[in-house]
Amino acid sequence: DIQMTQSPSSLSASVGDRVTITCRASHDVGTALTWFQQKPGEAPKSLIYDASRLQTGVPSRFSGSGSGTDFTLTIGSLQPEDFATYYCQHYVGFPFTFGPGTKVDVK
Amino acid sequence: EVQLVESGGDLVQPGGSLRLSCATSGFILSDFFMDWVRQAPERGLEWVARSRTKAHGHTTEYRASVKGRFTISRDESQNQLHLQMNSLQTDDTAVYYCVRGYNGLDVWGQGTTVIVSS
Repeated sequence: DIQMTQSPSSLSASVGDRVTITCRASHDVGTALTWFQQKPGEAPKSLIYDASRLQTGVPSRFSGSGSGTDFTLTIGSLQPEDFATYYCQHYVGFPFTFGPGTKVDVK
Repeated sequence: EVQLVESGGDLVQPGGSLRLSCATSGFILSDFFMDWVRQAPERGLEWVARSRTKAHGHTTEYRASVKGRFTISRDESQNQLHLQMNSLQTDDTAVYYCVRGYNGLDVWGQGTTVIVSS
């Protein structure tokens, strides 16, 4: 199975900050990489697919980049509703696997 | 609006069975791959199973730990996705999400809780 890692595991930030989360795959996944946001008690919400494509309705302050084994999710200017946990996941083959998550909380 | 609503989660003893259902609306089920994903606090998010469309032979995929015990199926006349879970183990305890497999995993239901415990 492809192992997904994320860094950092948590970070503290303020509204307006630029936030960057990285995701690394143990094998080449091309651009078959997606990012999710999850708030406590809620289902994950898809933000980015194909490594860099924004899902419909997702604010443009979210962006994704990378290919192969190294990926980045960037929040251009953190908003109050963005405090949450973020996960990456590959879908290059089965089983799909997820990263352990990066929790973004208030500084 | 695309909606996925799961049901069927319950407390069940080890070795027992449970059938989860997912009512879909706002899109044509027969046009989309569908997945089940689960989340347990100690294991994070785990993909469980995939159901492909008729055009792809209605084929299925499973994670190794559930293969032979779980069966994913779809009833397109009722716009429903199902997950039959047999021989349940304590490690199957989780919130189970029904997910549309388009552009990655684009739409998620709210989840249904399965607890396997004696």
